[in-house]
Amino acid sequence: IVLTQSPGTLSLSPGERATLSCRASQSVTSSSLAWFQQKPGQPPRLLIYGASSRATGIPDRISGSGSGTDFTLTISRLEPEDFAVYYCQQYHTSPLTFGGGTKVEIK
Amino acid sequence: QVQPVQSGAAVKKPGSSVRVSCKASGGIFNKYAITWVRQAPGQGLEWIGGIIPMLGTPKYAQKFQGRATITADESTRTAYMVLSSLRSEDTAVYYCARDGEREPLYYWGQGTLVTVSS
Repeated sequence: IVLTQSPGTLSLSPGERATLSCRASQSVTSSSLAWFQQKPGQPPRLLIYGASSRATGIPDRISGSGSGTDFTLTISRLEPEDFAVYYCQQYHTSPLTFGGGTKVEIK
Repeated sequence: QVQPVQSGAAVKKPGSSVRVSCKASGGIFNKYAITWVRQAPGQGLEWIGGIIPMLGTPKYAQKFQGRATITADESTRTAYMVLSSLRSEDTAVYYCARDGEREPLYYWGQGTLVTVSS
């Protein structure tokens, strides 16, 4: 399953809303879609699994939605620590696959 | 602690092999999947393969089939990933990640930089 993320880069200011898209080449079974955040020099951190469930400790300004082939990660109000690269991943069908990433940068 | 701890950085010659270890001290070791992912400099994440220790049979991305070997030793609570026939394009940070109770790839190791250079 090929995952295509858009846009490649999102330039926004703190306090603004970020909407990131992840489109799958075929339906993702059981909504087995996760979102990760990665900052330079750090491993990825799980944010969302099952398309819409927040991982432990993830603030409620971060939410996931979608099903089938179209998924969205929304950050309602960007905080300084949210500027990073975000990856979607499907984890039901082998081979597990990642999207190419969306960089959220400060405008 | 559940957070996996990986082996240190390695510099390897083209054609050689590298073994990266991933020790997960906390929780039930054999029940949760351990996944290996790599990230080339400035690039995205790439799935290599994974294993559920209690089941023992690893899965691999087609790209790494025949070149990567993933194993898990329950007695030492350590997973291993061996990559053979190394080439310069294998230069990357290699991560292991362990599933949580419900969450996939919840606990990540710190990453291991493997540099392939003559």
